[in-house]
Amino acid sequence: GAGVSQTPSNKVTEKGKYVELRCDPISGHTALYWYRQSLGQGPEFLIYFQGTGAADDSGLPNDRFFAVRPEGSVSTLKIQRTERGDSAVYLCASSSSAGATSSTDTQYFGPGTRLTVL
Amino acid sequence: AQSVSQHNHHVILSEAASLELGCNYSYGGTVNLFWYVQYPGQHLQLLLKYFSGDPLVKGIKGFEAEFIKSKFSFNLRKPSVQWSDTAEYFCAVNRYTGGFKTIFGAGTRLFVKA
Repeated sequence: GAGVSQTPSNKVTEKGKYVELRCDPISGHTALYWYRQSLGQGPEFLIYFQGTGAADDSGLPNDRFFAVRPEGSVSTLKIQRTERGDSAVYLCASSSSAGATSSTDTQYFGPGTRLTVL
Repeated sequence: AQSVSQHNHHVILSEAASLELGCNYSYGGTVNLFWYVQYPGQHLQLLLKYFSGDPLVKGIKGFEAEFIKSKFSFNLRKPSVQWSDTAEYFCAVNRYTGGFKTIFGAGTRLFVKA
């Protein structure tokens, strides 16, 4: 597609439920990032994939959060036993590579999924 | 802790006024620096970036930013703002450490009065 897409755009769930958030990166982009943005804050890094592997998952807040990217394109962020504090906008971004000095390493962001945990 | 600080949370300007948004970071070593913008109802998008070379970088829509290593700063500037610059602006920093953890500031909401 032309840009990064995320589904659903909005998700309302109850405390304790399981949710999955999907990200479709720009075709051909090998790097994929997940962020969480709470009201009044900037995006908070969660996890970064290079291809199929999670190269840096140091931002995942606890073991209720997990993400996969089995074929190196679409990624799913999974949240178990949701809590009210998980409510936020979850952003996905992709880039063509993860080279430190490449000028092509712009991250392209999707529209986000607004998660509300009641 | 590694952090990115944006000094102004809200800025209100009249059209044609000059803009400077402050950004300081606490990383040592080599860093990559970015400013992103989010216009109302739109996605985050890159405004400009610095990886190396000339510390004064120019971005889209007349924006520029200056990297001052000694001050750990990367301030965003525009000589004359327009109503269409009303948006939220985020400074971001990352380092190549084997991963790519990008740290964002809290953002500055700019409102330009027509």
